[in-house]
Amino acid sequence: ETGVTQTPRHLVMGMTNKKSLKCEQHLGHNAMYWYKQSAKKPLELMFVYSLEERVENNSVPSRFSPECPNSSHLFLHLHTLQPEDSALYLCASSQYSGTNTGELFFGEGSRLTVL
Amino acid sequence: AQSVAQPEDQVNVAEGNPLTVKCTYSVSGNPYLFWYVQYPNRGLQFLLKYITGDNLVKGSYGFEAESNKSQTSFHLKKPSALVSDSALYFCAVRDRAGNMLTFGGGTRLMVKP
Repeated sequence: ETGVTQTPRHLVMGMTNKKSLKCEQHLGHNAMYWYKQSAKKPLELMFVYSLEERVENNSVPSRFSPECPNSSHLFLHLHTLQPEDSALYLCASSQYSGTNTGELFFGEGSRLTVL
Repeated sequence: AQSVAQPEDQVNVAEGNPLTVKCTYSVSGNPYLFWYVQYPNRGLQFLLKYITGDNLVKGSYGFEAESNKSQTSFHLKKPSALVSDSALYFCAVRDRAGNMLTFGGGTRLMVKP
């Protein structure tokens, strides 16, 4: 098993659909993250969960809804998206503590296209 | 607040030549410093990090980076570039107070045969 696994790798959805992205980490980390990467923008941090509690939500529209049922799994529920939401969505995990160097380990990403 | 600048959107290098990808940062104290690489349609892969001590750190695939505190820089280097090094490179910093990792905007490295 690779460290951080994301499914699906590719997703095409209409603006009225509801879909979910899934992330699973096998590294024993206690924090998980969602990032958005668009063609012309740097990495945008969307959500952070530490010990299954959301600790950061960077003004993300409510059409994106995260869920972290346990420290190994993270979901991003998508509904009524806009074409500008088309991007690569990256999941990452880390060992989150004040004394840890805190480097992130990323999954391969889910390429989302909204029609 | 933390910030990271990668002043070059793209760096072009001939295969076999040395390469440098620049990174400067603004963070209080002595931050942790990182480089990540992203190949097309893939996630980011950790390359190397600086914690403390020797200013020159070595990482994966023959890459190294030098921390310069006076210039608050952490440039990525490699003595001899390979075509397979062509990718998107991200610099990142994190202060020691437990704040989140902050990424630069990325630099695309193109190595031509």
